[in-house]
Amino acid sequence: QSALTQPASVSGSPGQSITISCTGTSSDVGSYKLVSWYQQYPGKAPKLMIYDVSDRPSGVSTRFSGSKSGNTASLTISGLQGEDEADYYCCSYAGSSTWVFGGGTKLTVL
Amino acid sequence: QVQLVESGGGVVQPGRSLRLSCAASGFTFSSYAMHWVRQAPGKGLEWAAVISSDGSNKFYADSMKGRFTISRDNSKNTLYVQMNSVRGEDTAVYYCARDRLPGPISGECDYWGQGALVTVSS
Repeated sequence: QSALTQPASVSGSPGQSITISCTGTSSDVGSYKLVSWYQQYPGKAPKLMIYDVSDRPSGVSTRFSGSKSGNTASLTISGLQGEDEADYYCCSYAGSSTWVFGGGTKLTVL
Repeated sequence: QVQLVESGGGVVQPGRSLRLSCAASGFTFSSYAMHWVRQAPGKGLEWAAVISSDGSNKFYADSMKGRFTISRDNSKNTLYVQMNSVRGEDTAVYYCARDRLPGPISGECDYWGQGALVTVSS
């Protein structure tokens, strides 16, 4: 159950698009559609932003999108806004009814 | 509206035990699998354990196996985690979270509690 690999930080200017990668293995990200993404503000609980690789829960902005290729999942945020500045975590099913998170990525809006 | 409220956190000495609770409301608790996820200070999220909707199936992260026990009381709409032989590395905020869909476990959590801080210190 090794953590998925995410970049420690990414940054972008308002209006730009950014992509956060989440690299796992053929035992987790590469084998299942159960990849989700969470947004977390400091001192707050995580919020589900993407589930099943690319689906958005009701109420989540269409500026957030997810995809997967091989063992790597990605979260793309388009039209970057100041309120998007937060930590982002990916999560994947890892088999045997266990799940694994990524190490987290701090998004800075310049 | 869906609410999850954790309680039972605090300071505990190494080697002792602690039980956290998570009171659920606003949904049919007995229909959903429930998770515990923890976050050490300044660190990332770590999935800890899950229990099926009826409590018959329980699964743990390797680091929790043998020391942590997840349970639920559907008559009280409450989720629990019993933490035994706690260690310094168990210091974290512990979140309870609801699985997104009723029935089979997806591991995708759509509602989270505010978290309970557990500090392991002598």
